[in-house]
Parts: sequence; structure tokens; C-alpha cells
Amino acid sequence: DTAVSQTPKYLVTQMGNDKSIKCEQNLGHDTMYWYKQDSKKFLKIMFSYNNKELIINETVPNRFSPKSPDKAHLNLHINSLELGDSAVYFCASSQGSQGSQKLFFGSGTQLSVL
Amino acid sequence: QQQVKQSPQSLIVQKGGISIINCAYENTAFDYFPWYQQFPGKGPALLIAIRPDVSEKKEGRFTISFNKSAKQFSLHIMDSQPGDSATYFCAASGGNAGKSTFGDGTTLTVKP
Repeated sequence: DTAVSQTPKYLVTQMGNDKSIKCEQNLGHDTMYWYKQDSKKFLKIMFSYNNKELIINETVPNRFSPKSPDKAHLNLHINSLELGDSAVYFCASSQGSQGSQKLFFGSGTQLSVL
Repeated sequence: QQQVKQSPQSLIVQKGGISIINCAYENTAFDYFPWYQQFPGKGPALLIAIRPDVSEKKEGRFTISFNKSAKQFSLHIMDSQPGDSATYFCAASGGNAGKSTFGDGTTLTVKP
């Protein structure tokens, strides 16, 4: 009964390929996020969706395209993968998009681009 | 511009000792200051959080001290245990920021 679940756990692929990561939350939250954690463990927000609407889009290459079919799901599609995309990608959710934010994270997807 | 600065980057403490991690923020609109704990291969998980209307919050061995005038807050882990070995992130959110801002993380190692 994982609160925020993302798949796959590991993703190994070649440069230039296109891949997707899926995320689902069963907490009833209306806001979902994608975070990127690099090799130094820095956590950076990439996108945020509130009730299926994009509200945060940080300076992320447009090869990254999030999609939220409903407020319980947020997927991340990455085109033309590059070596620098190798990182751990975390999905998260919270109740509300403004003010205090208690974030619930998934267990991460480790992406390795070869 | 980094809005939340965290130190130290790494910390080694003996079992039973006190671990202290510090954070400083810039945006005075922040009104929620959580600490997240992350074990290898797992996502960050909320450990403890504080709002600026109190100067201290304690939950078991974990205490947040908050200094609003200095715009600083810190995590104290009393009687540190090897099981506390993890990466700790401070964060801040609030106002109309619309997102949480994280510190760069502190890797804590508690030696038996």
C-alpha cells in the first residue's frame, strides 16, 4: 500500500533513446512533483502539477515532458536521452500547492544513460 | 541564488553523541521548515518540521531549534545511533513560493 509509487525502479538505456517514468499516489493529494537528485545528492525540483495543471516548470530542457492524466498520476517522458540525464528521479506529492508543503516522496527511479 | 544553505556537508559522530546540522534561509515569506531523512535507495521522508511561531520542537531524540531573527534553524539528534546514518535535508516553503526549497544535504555517519 505504497503512498507514492513510481516505476521503474531502475532504468538503463542508451544515449538518444526515449524513456518514460510513471508515478501514482493514493494519498488523495492534488499536487504532484518531479525532483531530480544528482550524484552529489542535490535535490532540484523540475515540475509541479496541481489538479492536472502545470504550475511549476523550472529550467529543464524541453526534452523532458511531464503529463498528468489525472491528479493521482504524473508521468515523465524524456526524449533523446543524454549522458547528463543520469540521475535519480523522484516523484512526490503534497496536499496543496501553496504555503506549507509536507512532501511525500516515492522511492525513486535510478536512470543510467550509457 | 541558493535560498537555503545547509552545513556541514558531512558529519561523523560517535554512537551516543549529538549530531547537529544547520540551515540558513533568505526568504522571509517561508513559514514551514521541515527536515527530511533519506536512506540509500529510498526517497526522502519527513522527519520533523517546525513553524516560525515556536523556537523549538522536539520529537523523541530529534529536536529542531529555530531562530527567526537570524533566519536559521538546526536539527539536533540526541543519543545518535548507527541507524541514524543517512542523508538529511532541510527545506523551507511558504508564502506564494509554490515550491519547497531544499538545502544541499548532510551525510551523517554514526560510528558504533
